[in-house]
Amino acid sequence: VTQTPKFRILKIGQSMTLQCTQDMNHNYMYWYRQDPGLGLRQIYYSMNVEVTDKGDVPEGYKVSRKEKRNFPLILESPSPNQTALYFCASRGGQYENIQYFGAGTRLSVL
Amino acid sequence: GDSVTQMEGPVTLSEEAFLTINCTYTATGYPSLFWYVQYPGEGLQLLLKATKADDKGSNKGFEATYRKETTSFHLEKGSVQVSDSAVYFCALSVGGGATNKLIFGTGTLLAVQP
Repeated sequence: VTQTPKFRILKIGQSMTLQCTQDMNHNYMYWYRQDPGLGLRQIYYSMNVEVTDKGDVPEGYKVSRKEKRNFPLILESPSPNQTALYFCASRGGQYENIQYFGAGTRLSVL
Repeated sequence: GDSVTQMEGPVTLSEEAFLTINCTYTATGYPSLFWYVQYPGEGLQLLLKATKADDKGSNKGFEATYRKETTSFHLEKGSVQVSDSAVYFCALSVGGGATNKLIFGTGTLLAVQP
């Protein structure tokens, strides 16, 4: 799972897309955010092309899944409370429960 | 609801010391349990897993046993190395098929000193 960029500093309201690509032909893809003391929390997930759903903390984010390998996370109008470390993950078949993670994108919104 | 509680860190040990990181969970049904590790500057990697009660997951000298009676999945290693310094996350997998979901604990930072 490949994530780009690795680091980014944004100004409030400066839109941004975090990219995620997997080359394992996995159906399921996920976005998480990691905040100190809170562990990882799921933002959105996708079960296949054009099928997405909200996770636990979806506010302020959008996603799309136009191709099986890509699952971008869109921040249209970032705010400081979206400063976090973001991880993308993918999972194979319906009965496979291991998720494979990218290296993360560290985002600061100032 | 489903949740994972793990011991707060940081845990600081000397090289070759014994490691235990406690993890307990609350879940309905029969979850699978995982330990993920995050080395400095890297993403999460699966360290080990267990899918049913009494299963023992093991990898790189780390072990954890799925204890249903105590709802626990404690991580242990007999002799830690400096290279084991990382953040360790306990997680459980709930739901089947398309609704499968990972729920993470807050993470425990391990620092091993030479």
